[in-house]
Amino acid sequence: DTAVSQTPKYLVTQMGNDKSIKCEQNLGHDTMYWYKQDSKKFLKIMFSYNNKELIINETVPNRFSPKSPDKAHLNLHINSLELGDSAVYFCASSQGGLAGTGETQYFGPGTRLLVL
Amino acid sequence: QKEVEQNSGPLSVPEGAIASLNCTYSDRGSQSFFWYRQYSGKSPELIMFIYSNGDKEDGRFTAQLNKASQYVSLLIRDSQPSDSATYLCAVRSSGGSYIPTFGRGTSLIVHP
Repeated sequence: DTAVSQTPKYLVTQMGNDKSIKCEQNLGHDTMYWYKQDSKKFLKIMFSYNNKELIINETVPNRFSPKSPDKAHLNLHINSLELGDSAVYFCASSQGGLAGTGETQYFGPGTRLLVL
Repeated sequence: QKEVEQNSGPLSVPEGAIASLNCTYSDRGSQSFFWYRQYSGKSPELIMFIYSNGDKEDGRFTAQLNKASQYVSLLIRDSQPSDSATYLCAVRSSGGSYIPTFGRGTSLIVHP
């Protein structure tokens, strides 16, 4: 009954590799997000996507790209991994409304990425 | 740039005391305010949201919003060791974006 799920939970890889993290939500939400949480616990938005638009944080390198095959999935692809990409990546979803509980974000369990 | 500021702590309080967590934000037009709790190694989970000036109570938690002073706070009454976590303040600013900005979080330690 997991609301927002991510795979894998842990990912250890070498510099220069390409990897993907998958995210699925079964809440029927319209909007999904990817966040990066660094070692200092700062939660930083990377992407936001609904069926109408993709919003990209301009500070995110173009090595990162979101892919959404359908409304329930938002995967994260990372090319040419670097040491600084090591972090915890959280997927989240919300109903997408601008007011009320629609703004509440539900987070997945996180993917702990370590680049060696 | 829209900013959300929190004292990183740790804030240490004895069991049974009131824990007070504060958050300030830069965008005066901000509309929605959220408090999330994150246990170590876990994902953030919503505790409360507030939109209007004043207090909003839910069990042992009270959120307080003062838009004139641009701060939002979270009070935890009768603090328990299980409340020990990092508390993240999130603010949705004006301008039509539905994406909130998160603060860096305040670490709370409730000791027996």
